[in-house]
Amino acid sequence: DTGVSQDPRHKITKRGQNVTFRCDPISEHNRLYWYRQTLGQGPEFLTYFQNEAQLEKSRLLSDRFSAERPKGSFSTLEIQRTEQGDSAMYLCASSSSGQGRQFFGPGTRLTVL
Amino acid sequence: KNEVEQSPQNLTAQEGEFITINCSYSVGISALHWLQQHPGGGIVSLFMLSSGKKKHGRLIATINIQEKHSSLHITASHPRDSAVYICAVGYGNKLVFGAGTILRVKS
Repeated sequence: DTGVSQDPRHKITKRGQNVTFRCDPISEHNRLYWYRQTLGQGPEFLTYFQNEAQLEKSRLLSDRFSAERPKGSFSTLEIQRTEQGDSAMYLCASSSSGQGRQFFGPGTRLTVL
Repeated sequence: KNEVEQSPQNLTAQEGEFITINCSYSVGISALHWLQQHPGGGIVSLFMLSSGKKKHGRLIATINIQEKHSSLHITASHPRDSAVYICAVGYGNKLVFGAGTILRVKS
Protein backbone atom coordinates (compact mmCIF):
# COMPACT_ATOMS: atom_id res chain seq x y z
CA ASP A 1 0.00 0.00 0.00
CA THR A 2 1.37 3.39 -0.99
CA GLY A 3 -0.36 5.54 1.60
CA VAL A 4 -2.86 8.35 1.20
CA SER A 5 -2.96 9.92 -2.25
CA GLN A 6 -4.53 13.17 -3.40
CA ASP A 7 -5.29 14.49 -6.85
CA PRO A 8 -4.52 16.97 -8.24
CA ARG A 9 -1.42 18.15 -6.40
CA HIS A 10 -1.85 21.68 -7.66
CA LYS A 11 -4.86 23.55 -9.00
CA ILE A 12 -4.99 27.10 -10.30
CA THR A 13 -8.43 28.45 -11.01
CA LYS A 14 -10.19 31.73 -11.58
CA ARG A 15 -12.52 33.23 -9.03
CA GLY A 16 -16.04 31.94 -9.45
CA GLN A 17 -15.07 28.56 -10.92
CA ASN A 18 -15.87 25.23 -9.28
CA VAL A 19 -13.10 22.84 -8.30
CA THR A 20 -13.11 19.23 -7.10
CA PHE A 21 -10.35 17.40 -5.26
CA ARG A 22 -10.00 13.68 -4.70
CA CYS A 23 -8.51 11.73 -1.82
CA ASP A 24 -7.76 8.01 -1.79
CA PRO A 25 -7.12 6.84 1.77
CA ILE A 26 -5.16 3.83 2.91
CA SER A 27 -7.39 0.95 1.85
CA GLU A 28 -8.14 -0.56 5.25
CA HIS A 29 -8.83 2.79 6.93
CA ASN A 30 -12.49 3.55 7.61
CA ARG A 31 -11.97 7.13 8.80
CA LEU A 32 -11.19 10.02 6.47
CA TYR A 33 -10.52 13.65 7.31
CA TRP A 34 -10.20 16.86 5.31
CA TYR A 35 -8.13 19.77 6.61
CA ARG A 36 -7.22 23.17 5.18
CA GLN A 37 -3.88 24.88 5.76
CA THR A 38 -3.05 28.47 4.91
CA LEU A 39 0.48 29.84 4.73
CA GLY A 40 2.24 29.99 8.07
CA GLN A 41 -0.58 28.30 9.95
CA GLY A 42 -1.29 24.82 11.16
CA PRO A 43 -4.00 22.80 9.43
CA GLU A 44 -7.66 23.41 10.37
CA PHE A 45 -10.29 20.70 10.51
CA LEU A 46 -12.94 20.79 7.78
CA THR A 47 -14.85 17.51 7.92
CA TYR A 48 -14.70 13.85 8.96
CA PHE A 49 -16.15 10.62 7.56
CA GLN A 50 -16.52 7.24 9.14
CA ASN A 51 -17.09 4.86 6.27
CA GLU A 52 -19.55 6.69 3.97
CA ALA A 53 -21.16 8.77 6.74
CA GLN A 54 -20.09 12.39 7.16
CA LEU A 55 -20.16 12.67 10.95
CA GLU A 56 -18.77 16.14 11.57
CA LYS A 57 -18.41 19.41 9.66
CA SER A 58 -16.55 22.51 10.75
CA ARG A 59 -18.14 25.94 10.74
CA LEU A 60 -15.33 26.75 8.30
CA LEU A 61 -17.14 24.63 5.73
CA SER A 62 -19.49 27.14 4.15
CA ASP A 63 -22.38 26.23 1.87
CA ARG A 64 -19.98 26.46 -1.08
CA PHE A 65 -18.08 23.44 0.20
CA SER A 66 -19.32 19.89 -0.07
CA ALA A 67 -17.60 16.60 0.63
CA GLU A 68 -18.65 13.06 -0.19
CA ARG A 69 -17.39 9.57 0.39
CA PRO A 70 -19.95 7.57 -1.57
CA LYS A 71 -18.73 4.02 -1.06
CA GLY A 72 -16.66 4.51 2.05
CA SER A 73 -13.44 4.47 0.06
CA PHE A 74 -12.24 7.57 -1.83
CA SER A 75 -13.59 11.02 -1.01
CA THR A 76 -14.14 14.20 -2.99
CA LEU A 77 -14.15 17.80 -1.78
CA GLU A 78 -15.88 20.30 -4.04
CA ILE A 79 -15.70 24.05 -3.75
CA GLN A 80 -18.28 26.01 -5.73
CA ARG A 81 -17.88 29.62 -6.83
CA THR A 82 -14.31 29.79 -5.56
CA GLU A 83 -13.08 32.94 -3.84
CA GLN A 84 -9.53 34.20 -3.38
CA GLY A 85 -9.81 33.36 0.31
CA ASP A 86 -10.17 29.70 -0.60
CA SER A 87 -6.52 29.64 -1.69
CA ALA A 88 -4.84 27.13 0.62
CA MET A 89 -3.42 23.63 0.90
CA TYR A 90 -6.18 21.05 1.25
CA LEU A 91 -5.00 18.00 3.17
CA CYS A 92 -6.62 14.62 3.47
CA ALA A 93 -5.83 12.09 6.19
CA SER A 94 -7.08 8.63 7.08
CA SER A 95 -7.05 6.37 10.10
CA SER A 96 -8.56 3.20 11.50
CA SER A 97 -11.18 3.12 14.24
CA GLY A 98 -9.49 2.66 17.57
CA GLN A 99 -6.18 3.98 16.22
CA GLY A 100 -5.79 7.68 16.76
CA ARG A 101 -2.81 8.08 14.47
CA GLN A 102 -3.72 9.78 11.19
CA PHE A 103 -1.83 9.30 7.95
CA PHE A 104 -1.70 12.35 5.70
CA GLY A 105 -1.71 12.71 1.96
CA PRO A 106 0.59 15.15 0.12
CA GLY A 107 -2.13 17.77 -0.16
CA THR A 108 -3.71 19.72 -3.01
CA ARG A 109 -2.53 23.31 -3.29
CA LEU A 110 -5.32 25.54 -4.58
CA THR A 111 -4.64 29.00 -5.97
CA VAL A 112 -7.64 31.16 -6.82
CA LEU A 113 -6.78 34.10 -9.08
CA LYS B 1 -6.97 32.38 22.26
CA ASN B 2 -5.68 29.39 20.32
CA GLU B 3 -6.42 26.06 21.89
CA VAL B 4 -2.93 24.78 21.03
CA GLU B 5 0.08 27.04 21.50
CA GLN B 6 3.59 26.20 20.36
CA SER B 7 6.88 27.85 21.16
CA PRO B 8 9.13 28.98 19.74
CA GLN B 9 7.63 29.95 16.37
CA ASN B 10 11.06 29.91 14.75
CA LEU B 11 14.21 28.15 15.85
CA THR B 12 17.68 28.14 14.32
CA ALA B 13 20.25 25.73 15.69
CA GLN B 14 23.75 24.58 14.89
CA GLU B 15 24.25 20.99 13.88
CA GLY B 16 24.68 18.82 16.95
CA GLU B 17 22.65 21.00 19.31
CA PHE B 18 19.90 19.68 21.57
CA ILE B 19 16.54 21.14 20.53
CA THR B 20 13.32 21.53 22.49
CA ILE B 21 9.95 22.56 21.09
CA ASN B 22 7.09 23.17 23.50
CA CYS B 23 3.34 22.74 23.18
CA SER B 24 0.60 23.83 25.58
CA TYR B 25 -3.08 23.11 25.14
CA SER B 26 -6.26 24.24 26.82
CA VAL B 27 -8.80 21.59 25.87
CA GLY B 28 -9.34 18.12 27.22
CA ILE B 29 -7.71 15.69 24.84
CA SER B 30 -7.63 12.03 23.94
CA ALA B 31 -4.03 12.12 22.75
CA LEU B 32 -1.32 14.52 21.64
CA HIS B 33 0.44 14.22 18.31
CA TRP B 34 3.74 15.55 17.07
CA LEU B 35 3.96 15.90 13.30
CA GLN B 36 6.69 16.91 10.87
CA GLN B 37 6.01 18.88 7.71
CA HIS B 38 8.56 19.40 4.97
CA PRO B 39 8.40 22.10 2.26
CA GLY B 40 5.81 21.06 -0.30
CA GLY B 41 3.28 20.03 2.28
CA GLY B 42 3.76 16.37 3.22
CA ILE B 43 2.95 15.71 6.89
CA VAL B 44 4.43 12.76 8.73
CA SER B 45 3.25 11.59 12.13
CA LEU B 46 6.18 11.37 14.56
CA PHE B 47 4.49 10.50 17.84
CA MET B 48 1.10 9.97 19.37
CA LEU B 49 1.08 9.95 23.15
CA SER B 50 -1.38 10.25 25.99
CA SER B 51 1.02 9.92 28.92
CA GLY B 52 4.68 9.75 29.82
CA LYS B 53 7.41 9.67 27.24
CA LYS B 54 8.19 8.11 23.87
CA LYS B 55 11.49 7.84 22.04
CA HIS B 56 12.25 7.12 18.40
CA GLY B 57 15.84 7.44 17.31
CA ARG B 58 17.00 10.96 18.15
CA LEU B 59 13.50 12.19 18.86
CA ILE B 60 11.89 12.19 22.30
CA ALA B 61 8.37 13.34 23.13
CA THR B 62 7.04 13.90 26.64
CA ILE B 63 3.65 14.91 27.95
CA ASN B 64 2.40 16.18 31.32
CA ILE B 65 -1.36 15.74 31.36
CA GLN B 66 -1.88 17.70 34.59
CA GLU B 67 -0.02 20.71 33.24
CA LYS B 68 -1.43 20.29 29.71
CA HIS B 69 2.05 20.53 28.26
CA SER B 70 4.20 18.50 25.90
CA SER B 71 7.74 18.82 24.61
CA LEU B 72 9.51 17.45 21.57
CA HIS B 73 13.26 17.04 21.90
CA ILE B 74 15.76 16.40 19.15
CA THR B 75 19.18 15.20 20.23
CA ALA B 76 22.30 15.69 18.07
CA SER B 77 20.38 17.79 15.56
CA HIS B 78 21.22 17.52 11.87
CA PRO B 79 20.42 19.74 8.87
CA ARG B 80 18.01 17.06 7.61
CA ASP B 81 15.90 17.76 10.73
CA SER B 82 15.03 21.16 9.23
CA ALA B 83 11.26 21.21 8.86
CA VAL B 84 8.10 22.53 10.48
CA TYR B 85 7.14 20.64 13.63
CA ILE B 86 3.47 20.73 14.51
CA CYS B 87 1.77 19.80 17.74
CA ALA B 88 -1.84 18.61 17.46
CA VAL B 89 -4.31 17.41 20.06
CA GLY B 90 -7.00 14.81 19.51
CA TYR B 91 -10.31 16.47 20.38
CA GLY B 92 -13.40 14.44 19.68
CA ASN B 93 -13.17 13.11 16.15
CA LYS B 94 -10.63 15.62 14.92
CA LEU B 95 -7.17 17.04 15.46
CA VAL B 96 -6.66 20.63 16.59
CA PHE B 97 -3.30 21.91 15.45
CA GLY B 98 -0.80 24.43 16.68
CA ALA B 99 0.68 26.91 14.23
CA GLY B 100 3.95 24.99 14.01
CA THR B 101 7.59 25.65 14.82
CA ILE B 102 9.92 26.32 11.90
CA LEU B 103 13.22 24.62 12.64
CA ARG B 104 16.39 25.30 10.70
CA VAL B 105 19.53 23.37 11.56
CA LYS B 106 22.71 24.84 10.11
CA SER B 107 25.81 22.79 9.36
